[in-house]
Amino acid sequence: GQNIDQPTEMTATEGAIVQINCTYQTSGFNGLFWYQQHAGEAPTFLSYNVLDGLEEKGRFSSFLSRSKGYSYLLLKELQMKDSASYLCACMDSNYQLIWGAGTKLIIKP
Amino acid sequence: GAVVSQHPSRVICKSGTSVKIECRSLDFQATTMFWYRQFPKKSLMLMATSNEGSKATYEQGVEKDKFLINHASLTLSTLTVTSAHPEDSSFYICSARDSGQGDTGELFFGEGSRLTVL
Repeated sequence: GQNIDQPTEMTATEGAIVQINCTYQTSGFNGLFWYQQHAGEAPTFLSYNVLDGLEEKGRFSSFLSRSKGYSYLLLKELQMKDSASYLCACMDSNYQLIWGAGTKLIIKP
Repeated sequence: GAVVSQHPSRVICKSGTSVKIECRSLDFQATTMFWYRQFPKKSLMLMATSNEGSKATYEQGVEKDKFLINHASLTLSTLTVTSAHPEDSSFYICSARDSGQGDTGELFFGEGSRLTVL
């Protein structure tokens, strides 16, 4: 079956760095997405990886290893506004998104 | 960037009434749109895939007669919750892919619609 695993909740300190991991098993693979979702709001796009390696975009970076079925989202210089849920999603061979349950990130001062 | 507009953002209705939610792609054409439902502290649950000019594809367990989807044009899909009941209260979100030259695979999300059925 298809499955996306990511931690339920993580806590980090303002100004620090946090890495949110995601492992996946899908029928085919057409890329992995990371979305940020604040409570009561729709998700917003953060990153898309389809090739192995690290993609950096400002304070956020995303890494993919297709052979390991693994990705991580790295957030640097954490700010209080980064407190949100982070959703990992894989696009399968039918171009459908398979969603993880999300990781709730709590930032403490 | 591409914008998807969803309306209304909040709706409160009485049990037994029907509610229509609109999802519009404002600056791109979307052959395919997706409708999700999200329960508190849960991830998105795909309800159906809306295809322009044809019938929607519903996920297992989603009642197609209860959640009517119409995708009449390349920029508009609607979700109608018929004979709503309190258990239908939820956050409904739509998303769309740019089916034109700008297709990167990215999904663009609407703002979401919070439905409360009394």
